[in-house]
Order: sequence, then structure tokens, then C-alpha cells
Amino acid sequence: EAAVTQSPRNKVAVTGGKVTLSCNQTNNHNNMYWYRQDTGHGLRLIHYSYGAGSTEKGDIPDGYKASRPSQENFSLILELATPSQTSVYFCASGDPGTYAEQFFGPGTRLTVL
Amino acid sequence: GDSVTQTEGQVALSEEDFLTIHCNYSASGYPTLFWYVQYPGEGPQLLFRASRDKEKGSSRGFEATYDKGTTSFHLRKASVQESDSAVYYCALSDLATGGNNKLTFGQGTVLSVIP
Repeated sequence: EAAVTQSPRNKVAVTGGKVTLSCNQTNNHNNMYWYRQDTGHGLRLIHYSYGAGSTEKGDIPDGYKASRPSQENFSLILELATPSQTSVYFCASGDPGTYAEQFFGPGTRLTVL
Repeated sequence: GDSVTQTEGQVALSEEDFLTIHCNYSASGYPTLFWYVQYPGEGPQLLFRASRDKEKGSSRGFEATYDKGTTSFHLRKASVQESDSAVYYCALSDLATGGNNKLTFGQGTVLSVIP
């Protein structure tokens, strides 16, 4: 069964530290996305990718970098973590096209102290 | 830019009650509209979608009709069950902005159904 997995599922980091969140998909989808989920804001797009080697800025990219080394893997990198980046992060994959569904991973809960 | 507004942040109902969650959107093009549902501890999953005016999407007893005139896509269910307790997101995807399937989500509505 096609799936999107994320690691770690929970992470506690210190302010100023580097954090890497990983995502793997077996859907063979070209597009991958990183969102953060916050109460009152819903899901907001941070970065996305059209395929291996490509990354694009989403709606709230400041403080985040992304890396897509292969079709299957998409990472979100926080070079200098801040408490305001405490959130739940979701990765998703999907094919191009306005009708296409996005498939989400189970999420990573990040706490920055 | 595109936006989606869900009026209700939280809804508490008893089993067999009627559910309405309001969703209004703003988009420069002709978007596809979605409802996603998120159960505790999981990522969002697609409930259904609609891509043209007056089209009705439906799944698991939930339904919504695309209304271009009022820019709305309200979610309804005639009789909710405890198992429907979840977070519901209205979303849109608009190719007109070169979005390439990017989704814009509403704020989410937490539905709690009391047995």
C-alpha cells in the first residue's frame, strides 16, 4: 500500500540548534510538500518540490530550508531552531494536477525549548 | 492570494444531530475544492472534492455542493456519529496561480460528537 512516513515522530530541540525532519513516500509521486499545523491557522505550506533536486518556497518559508535528494525523500531543515517553530509538521505527496489528492504522513511533533 | 475561511472553530453535537460546517473561499481562478478529515494521531485524508459549479461531492454520509455564486462549499451530514469526531479542513487548489496542486487550507473545525 502506498504510504508517506515521517521521522522522527516526536522531537525536542534547543533554541539555536539544527533540526532535520525526514519524509519518505512510496507513492512514486512527483510532488512533495511540507506543512505546519497550528491551532487557528490550519495547515500552512512551508516548502514543496516538483521532483528530485527541486525545492520551492511555499507561503511561510522563512527560517526553513528543504532538500529533495531523490523521488522518495524530502527533508525539512531548521538551521537555527526557535520556540516559534514549535508545531506539528506534516509531509505530503501528490501528482501534479488540480484534481489530484495529496497523501499525508502521520506528522512530527516538534518542541523547541 | 487565495484564501479559505471556515466559520466554526469548534462544534459539539450529540449523536444523530445534523452537522453544518461553513466554508467560503476566495480565488483568482476556478479552483477545485476539497474537504479533508483528520482523525486523532493521523495526518489529514481526503474526504471528497468538487471541481465545477453545482457539483456535489460526497463520502461516508458527508456532502457539500460547489457554489461559485456564493463562493461556498459547506459541509453537511444529516446524522453524525461518535466516530465522526475529528478535525475537518476545507481546502482549495487553483491552477490559475501556477500552484501545481498546492493546497490552501482553512483554519480547521474540531467536531466533537457526544454519545
